[in-house]
Amino acid sequence: DAMVIQNPRYQVTQFGKPVTLSCSQTLNHNVMYWYQQKSSQAPKLLFHYYDKDFNNEADTPDNFQSRRPNTSFCFLDIRSPGLGDAAMYLCATSREALRQAEQYFGPGTRLTVT
Amino acid sequence: AQTVTQSQPEMSVQEAETVTLSCTYDTSESDYYLFWYKQPPSRQMILVIRQEAYKQQNATENRFSVNFQKAAKSFSLKISDSQLGDAAMYFCAYIYSGATNKLIFGTGTLLAVQP
Repeated sequence: DAMVIQNPRYQVTQFGKPVTLSCSQTLNHNVMYWYQQKSSQAPKLLFHYYDKDFNNEADTPDNFQSRRPNTSFCFLDIRSPGLGDAAMYLCATSREALRQAEQYFGPGTRLTVT
Repeated sequence: AQTVTQSQPEMSVQEAETVTLSCTYDTSESDYYLFWYKQPPSRQMILVIRQEAYKQQNATENRFSVNFQKAAKSFSLKISDSQLGDAAMYFCAYIYSGATNKLIFGTGTLLAVQP
């Protein structure tokens, strides 16, 4: 089945140690998103790609970076994780950058920072 | 600023009964979309139903329907004939005309379905 895959599902990293989260999709969608969801809070958009065009949210910390080497893959890099970065990270895709377009989510990666 | 509020952190319903989840939003826009997403435990979030603000008719998808009150900025989700598989976190979300695809989520309502 076409889907959005996130690896790993659980990631433990040390304070200040760079970490990369991975997302892949078999839907061939143009848009890929990264959301951060902290415990008992709403998911919050960090950034998204429309094809190769990167769109950063104004309040996303510089500590968070992203790469999209091809249509299928998108990575979230956290350069120096702090304890406050512990969260669920959700990847999502949509066919087009339209307001009504359904977003398809992956299962998420739960990041723990020790 | 656009905000979405879900005032019910948790709800419970008996199997086969009906439950309504509340959502209110704040916006100065006239053209926008509203969504309900479902996030089952340890599984990915999926779209349940969507509503365009310009459409007066309430959206319906099988057992799921919405009560969209634009003037009151209210967008509640009704689940009829609740099933055990409906147990999940439900998020109300909003996209406005100034943002091409930025979903603004509420904090969610955790729905338990009792057998």
